[in-house]
Amino acid sequence: EADIYQTPRYLVIGTGKKITLECSQTMGHDKMYWYQQDPGMELHLIHYSYGVNSTEKGDLSSESTVSRIRTEHFPLTLESARPSHTSQYLCASSTPQGTISGANVLTFGAGSRLTVL
Amino acid sequence: KNQVEQSPQSLIILEGKNCTLQCNYTVSPFSNLRWYKQDTGRGPVSLTIMTFSENTKSNGRYTATLDADTKQSSLHITASQLSDSASYICVVSDRGSTLGRLYFGRGTQLTVWP
Repeated sequence: EADIYQTPRYLVIGTGKKITLECSQTMGHDKMYWYQQDPGMELHLIHYSYGVNSTEKGDLSSESTVSRIRTEHFPLTLESARPSHTSQYLCASSTPQGTISGANVLTFGAGSRLTVL
Repeated sequence: KNQVEQSPQSLIILEGKNCTLQCNYTVSPFSNLRWYKQDTGRGPVSLTIMTFSENTKSNGRYTATLDADTKQSSLHITASQLSDSASYICVVSDRGSTLGRLYFGRGTQLTVWP
């Protein structure tokens, strides 16, 4: 059972609203990530964090912002939502897999499905 | 260009049958390859992770193979069950950084019918 939680699971809002997607993990992982996934498409990394007060943009340009004030919490915020932001947002955290270099095993949350009307 | 291609895009099989999903990649330098299972409306869950030196790895009814020379991997599911219906995602990590950049395939959507 994954110990990473996302809320809300589903959200339908109007254009221009500010939204925050919450992500919390209880595993003490330093690394956390936000991915965006559209139906039938691959996951795209939009933000990641190596630890408290560390945030970086991912491969896919996103108008969202993130913060990492506490190890367990990595919220994602959209200041002004638009229909193009409609997607599934997946939060993940990772820990090194033994001695395998680069093999950070990701644990994903259940996702937040955002629909902007 | 680093890519991960999966086939087939979708697959329908009858309960109890076996199936094999394919993954071809061009990621270099290669670090490891993972297979994830993603149920509808859920986040992906790790099934296996393999490094360059590993040719096969099993997790219950799931067996993954890796041919690092031809840059191909397969996921074999034995005696399929209805609960195997999901998207199976191949993910390849490079050795370009300590983070190990991940390249995701688009997944194979498997449907198991009773």
